[in-house]
Amino acid sequence: AQSVAQPEDQVNVAEGNPLTVKCTYSVSGNPYLFWYVQYPNRGLQFLLKYITGDNLVKGSYGFEAEFNKSQTSFHLKKPSALVSDSALYFCAVRYTPRDDKIIFGKGTRLHILP
Amino acid sequence: AAGVIQSPRHLIKEKRETATLKCYPIPRHDTVYWYQQGPGQDPQFLISFYEKMQSDKGSIPDRFSAQQFSDYHSELNMSSLELGDSALYFCASSHSLSGGPGDTQYFGPGTRLTVL
Repeated sequence: AQSVAQPEDQVNVAEGNPLTVKCTYSVSGNPYLFWYVQYPNRGLQFLLKYITGDNLVKGSYGFEAEFNKSQTSFHLKKPSALVSDSALYFCAVRYTPRDDKIIFGKGTRLHILP
Repeated sequence: AAGVIQSPRHLIKEKRETATLKCYPIPRHDTVYWYQQGPGQDPQFLISFYEKMQSDKGSIPDRFSAQQFSDYHSELNMSSLELGDSALYFCASSHSLSGGPGDTQYFGPGTRLTVL
């Protein structure tokens, strides 16, 4: 079955330290991978996506993600965390040209500690 | 930049009532998607429209219906509301250059529906 997994419900990082939010996927064919962030009582904001090409994708607010086909991973990273990065992060996949829907992971709550 | 607009932002209904949620996509976006996010859950796809035609369908109850109008805005109609329908309902839009899965979906702020 096609799926996306976020193995960590919560990640705590000290401000200024690098952060990683993990995501692995299981799809047949070529995956189209996305990261979204959700702030409290707000909608989902698009951060970045991987379609094809360079495995390192740069997105909004200094975030980047690395597509690793052999490990079927698409981890979200940022070199230096800010307190304002604290939010709920969703990894998502869209896996077939015929389907419109995005399949979301369960989400990872990121806490940046001052 | 213009974003997806959803109205109302909050809605309180009684069981068995009906509700209509509206979505106004980003200008020049031709595809609209509806998602439902229950408390503490990830968003679940309900239905989508491309150029006013239904293009994909997910786990949308038969009590719900939706359509996209000539100005590309969309409405989600929900009847015989149940307690379990309480959720955050997101609309997203995209511009389908090639109809490919790489199109980015931009989400609105959501409508929080509470069924009492």
